[in-house]
Amino acid sequence: GAVVSQHPSWVICKSGTSVKIECRSLDFQATTMFWYRQFPKQSLMLMATSNEGSKATYEQGVEKDKFLINHASLTLSTLTVTSAHPEDSSFYICSARTSQETQYFGPGTRLLVL
Amino acid sequence: QKEVEQDPGPLSVPEGAIVSLNCTYSNSAFQYFMWYRQYSRKGPELLMYTYSSGNKEDGRFTAQVDKSSKYISLFIRDSQPSDSATYLCAMSVQAGTALIFGKGTTLSVSS
Repeated sequence: GAVVSQHPSWVICKSGTSVKIECRSLDFQATTMFWYRQFPKQSLMLMATSNEGSKATYEQGVEKDKFLINHASLTLSTLTVTSAHPEDSSFYICSARTSQETQYFGPGTRLLVL
Repeated sequence: QKEVEQDPGPLSVPEGAIVSLNCTYSNSAFQYFMWYRQYSRKGPELLMYTYSSGNKEDGRFTAQVDKSSKYISLFIRDSQPSDSATYLCAMSVQAGTALIFGKGTTLSVSS
């Protein structure tokens, strides 16, 4: 149990385009999901907390207009990187919180912006 | 000072060795402590979840939390080449809230 998927697993896009990443909890409902970003040889840095049916809470320094988060159902949260630039290239990982308060992570999405 | 400090390694051990991984933290309000294993280009996998001080054992893995010293450890017994990965400690003030991660320790177990 407690499986989280992400799609796509990797994406390459041109600078200025937008990219949508999906995070799904496959066998449980998650009212809360988290989005993290991980640069090479660095730890996971929390970007935002996504709550079903309400606006996401962004961490300091994360542009909410650039990283759009939608949590429209109990099993799906999406992160859209708008007008992507090369410095947005990173490994984006989501996690979903179970009813037992533990977090399970998705496999991550590797984004490369050219 | 960062909230969570973790030696990035790399740590290299022979197969069968006992591995000790550690993290220190500065926020005394942390109560929930986790260890995740992350293989290259994959998402973190939850290994151990503990609350407050004490020990927890699961198979070859033992997690220890010493809140008085703000120090947590993960021990791996009879290490295997398949244990080669990056190990991340994580902690939170309340259950289910956002996690604060250490940088991760890269472990290599040679056969």
